[in-house]
Amino acid sequence: GAGVSQSPRYKVTKRGQDVALRCDPISGHVSLYWYRQALGQGPEFLTYFNYEAQQDKSGLPNDRFSAERPEGSISTLTIQRTEQRDSAMYRCASSRVSGGITDTQYFGPGTRLTVL
Amino acid sequence: AQKITQTQPGMFVQEKEAVTLDCTYDTSDQSYGLFWYKQPSSGEMIFLIYQGSYDEQNATEGRYSLNFQKARKSANLVISASQLGDSAMYFCAMRDRTGNQFYFGTGTSLTVIP
Repeated sequence: GAGVSQSPRYKVTKRGQDVALRCDPISGHVSLYWYRQALGQGPEFLTYFNYEAQQDKSGLPNDRFSAERPEGSISTLTIQRTEQRDSAMYRCASSRVSGGITDTQYFGPGTRLTVL
Repeated sequence: AQKITQTQPGMFVQEKEAVTLDCTYDTSDQSYGLFWYKQPSSGEMIFLIYQGSYDEQNATEGRYSLNFQKARKSANLVISASQLGDSAMYFCAMRDRTGNQFYFGTGTSLTVIP
């Protein structure tokens, strides 16, 4: 079946603009995760959903960042009033079940965000 | 404190040789999972192999195997018979019961030399 998809793949925006990044998980996957990956670093956790419920948002850097998954499938990560330091690769991952130690996360291709 | 440490920023290996990529982890949980991902230059994150903390056998998936040493808290990835297509960034990750997230290391860049 189809993997995790993300759109747009590339986003260039001006400082101060809002951006919305979309993630479409693997069909039937319960859990959805957002990560941010700086160049030369590993992915860093932002937030996590089980179905439509946001279970953990401890990794969101500040209140300009928010995420939703209203119907338990597609998720949107929104960054308001973007700043240059927000430039990074934003990755979405999904997993079949929730909370399992063995639960593998499957990643999307990412959205490369550049804030000018 | 770093949960996952990958001390090799870059590694080189001759084609057809085996290579070991190091990973050490830090957790006080007894139950946890260890994962390796490959990130080629295209940017995807490809799942390679999983090892559970209670698994007695080292995990293997084709040319990938995980050298799991629980007492040392290490989970090294071994790639046998390296191929040019193995050139990529490799990330070690862990999931434990303190959170729902994966903790990733900083990665190791592997270059396979023909």
